[in-house]
Amino acid sequence: AQKVTQAQTEISVVEKEDVTLDCVYETRDTTYYLFWYKQPPSGELVFLIRRNSFDEQNEISGRYSWNFQKSTSSFNFTITASQVVDSAVYFCALCTNTGNQFYFGTGTSLTVIP
Amino acid sequence: DADVTQTPRNRITKTGKRIMLECSQTKGHDRMYWYRQDPGLGLRLIYYSFDVKDINKGEISDGYSVSRQAQAKFSLSLESAIPNQTALYFCATSDSQGRSSGANVLTFGAGSRLTVL
Repeated sequence: AQKVTQAQTEISVVEKEDVTLDCVYETRDTTYYLFWYKQPPSGELVFLIRRNSFDEQNEISGRYSWNFQKSTSSFNFTITASQVVDSAVYFCALCTNTGNQFYFGTGTSLTVIP
Repeated sequence: DADVTQTPRNRITKTGKRIMLECSQTKGHDRMYWYRQDPGLGLRLIYYSFDVKDINKGEISDGYSVSRQAQAKFSLSLESAIPNQTALYFCATSDSQGRSSGANVLTFGAGSRLTVL
């Protein structure tokens, strides 16, 4: 069975603090993709990153970075020097090669306080 | 124009009414999906279609039906709406071709907020 767990329901940080959003996944497939999506207050879902199971290199994009560790089945997302515009709900998702369905976590609501 | 367009964006209806949510896309993707979002539950898959002749039930298909009228169009119907179908509904598309940088990424519509009284 496939499952994505985002244990942090809500997080509040003060602007300029760093924050890490946790994502733990379960799958028996050896080939899979992991994703992060952002849902700002306006409601749309914005793609942030895709990572395949064979690429464990961490990735940095501006203030965003992602730490993929197969050993712990985790794909954590860190925002450095958070800004008010980062306030959103963030979803982690898993897509496996068998079935090609996407499995979403329940989301983490991040509030950045000015 | 948006790549994935959902209509209506907002709808209030009464219990027992038939409702159709429509989705059209200009991305040329073969795969289309309907998700439902409820607070605290994330996004749950209702139905998905990998091409015009392929329709599959997702995690929570009871009470819903779909139609893939063309590669670009995928509609979701609630035959007899009930209050617990009040939710935010998202249509999404993805491209099955190859495993290039764009493959498997879901592109979402803006969402359709449905309220069933």
